Order: sequence, then structure tokens, then C-alpha cells
Amino acid sequence: AQSVTQPDIHITVSEGASLELRCNYSYGATPYLFWYVQSPGQGLQLLLKYFSGDTLVQGIKGFEAEFKRSQSSFNLRKPSVHWSDAAEYFCAVGAVSGGYNKLIFGAGTRLAVHP
Amino acid sequence: EAQVTQNPRYLITVTGKKLTVTCSQNMNHEYMSWYRQDPGLGLRQIYYSMNVEVTDKGDVPEGYKVSRKEKRNFPLILESPSPNQTSLYFCASSSGYPISGYTFGSGTRLTVV
Repeated sequence: AQSVTQPDIHITVSEGASLELRCNYSYGATPYLFWYVQSPGQGLQLLLKYFSGDTLVQGIKGFEAEFKRSQSSFNLRKPSVHWSDAAEYFCAVGAVSGGYNKLIFGAGTRLAVHP
Repeated sequence: EAQVTQNPRYLITVTGKKLTVTCSQNMNHEYMSWYRQDPGLGLRQIYYSMNVEVTDKGDVPEGYKVSRKEKRNFPLILESPSPNQTSLYFCASSSGYPISGYTFGSGTRLTVV
């Protein structure tokens, strides 16, 4: 069955430090992979997505993610975190179910940023 | 502006009192979906719709109903809410192409007492 695992429930980093959020997926076919961010009290905003091609994808707000098929991973990175990046981050895989393209989400990683 | 609009943003209700959360999108998307978000569980799909009059159950449909009479609207109905339906709900729409992902509404925080 398709699934997404985000091993880190909560991460705290200092402002200016680098960030890596982990995501592992289970999906039989070529996956469509997404990262969404949810700021407090807000909906989900798409950060970036991957389907094919270059395995390093760039997104908004200075984020990037690398697809590694051999590790079934799609980790999100940012070289220098800003206080405004504090939010909850969700990794998702797009799966076809009954002809419908659904998103299967991980449990999320909550990021706190120290000044 | 392309968007998904949910109402209300916040709702407190009592057990057993029927309620409807509305969802509307202005992108002419065929696919729409409802998710609930609970701590430690991420987002789980409740119901989805592939087109007008076409709806199907997601992963956690018990206690919910939906309808899709118009392309732009996809209301979520709780006919007899219970406290375990206290959650944050999101409506989302998609063009249907897998790589396009979803556009999400701002969410509805529901508390059932």
C-alpha cells in the first residue's frame, strides 16, 4: 500500500542554520512527490513537486528537494532558515486509486526556529 | 484569483446537530476532495469527487456525507456530529493531472462538544 513516512515529528533549528526534513515513501510505480507547508492558521501551500527529470527540484521560498529512488526518499532542504519558515511541513505522494489521483500525506514535521 | 473557499473558518457545535461546511472553487477543476487533519496523523481523505454527481469514499468516510451538484461546489455534511469529528478540515481541488497537485482551502476548525 502507498504510504509516506516523515520520521521527525518536531525539529528545532537556529535562524540561519541549514535544514533538512526527511520523507520516505512507499509506492509501486513512479511517484509524484510533493512538499506542502502549513503556516499557523493557514491552509496548505505547495512548496515544490517532482515527477520526472532532474532529481533535484527547486521550489518557492528558497527550498529544494532531492528525489532518491534507491532510498525511496524525497528530503526537503534549505541552506539558511529564516524565522518565517516556522511552520508544519507535509510530504505527500500522488497515487492513482480508482482512476482518481489522490494525495497521501505523511504525518507532518513541525519546524520551530530559534532567533 | 484562483482559490478554494471554505466556510465557516471556525465552528463549535453540539453532538447530534447537523451541520454543513461549504467549499467552492473558481478554477473549473473537475476533482475535489475533503481531508481532515489530526495531530500525528497528517491529512486523511474523507471523500472525493471526480466530477458532477460522481463521488466516492476516501480513507475515513464514516459519519460524513458529500454532494456534487455543481462543478464548483463540494459541501461536506455531518448529519449527526460526534466529538471524535472534532478536527481541522480542508477542501481541495485539482485539475486531475497527477503532477498538478491540489489547491487547498484555508481550513475549517470544527469542535463538537
